[in-house]
Amino acid sequence: NAGVTQTPKFQVLKTGQSMTLQCAQDMNHEYMSWYRQDPGMGLRLIHYSVGAGITDQGEVPNGYNVSRSTTEDFPLRLLSAAPSQTSVYFCASRTSGVKEQYFGPGTRLTVT
Amino acid sequence: QQQVKQSPQSLIVQKGGISIINCAYENTAFDYFPWYQQFPGKGPALLIAIRPDVSEKKEGRFTISFNKSAKQFSLHIMDSQPGDSATYFCAASGGEYSTLTFGKGTMLLVSP
Repeated sequence: NAGVTQTPKFQVLKTGQSMTLQCAQDMNHEYMSWYRQDPGMGLRLIHYSVGAGITDQGEVPNGYNVSRSTTEDFPLRLLSAAPSQTSVYFCASRTSGVKEQYFGPGTRLTVT
Repeated sequence: QQQVKQSPQSLIVQKGGISIINCAYENTAFDYFPWYQQFPGKGPALLIAIRPDVSEKKEGRFTISFNKSAKQFSLHIMDSQPGDSATYFCAASGGEYSTLTFGKGTMLLVSP
């Protein structure tokens, strides 16, 4: 049982490039979320999903897209990277009816 | 609008001392209040959590105190150890899909 996995661990992008951050969980959790962590800002919710085919925006959704075609995977897409998207990104999951969230190890993204 | 306010930003405690971190919330719909611990380069991990129907919860050296009328909750770490040095986040959730709103974090350093 690997829990929540994220790839890549590190990534450097140039402004305007696109990429997808991968997140997968093997716990059959219905709920999955993406957060970004910036110094002094805590973790802020980007997008979340309550099940396959269902997604919604969080606090800071601009510049990011998500989709959820399977229970296991919840990729985060940056369509045109900007320096303001330099951050550490965390994926999390939980099962419905239980509030405890499990976080992945994070992806550190730098946009130059 | 910051819905969960956390203080202090940083804290230095001597080994064996008590570490206290405070949080205040605004949204009375919140019904779950977890604390997360994060070590450098790692994802946040759930430390302890409380619901508003109890005023205190203790797990080992970690205690949450909860004051519903004041809309405040705090984390107490008794007999603090150097291994407790980490960043601590309070959070709150409530509502249909229970997404977490985080405080900005407290960097704790326990000196030997």
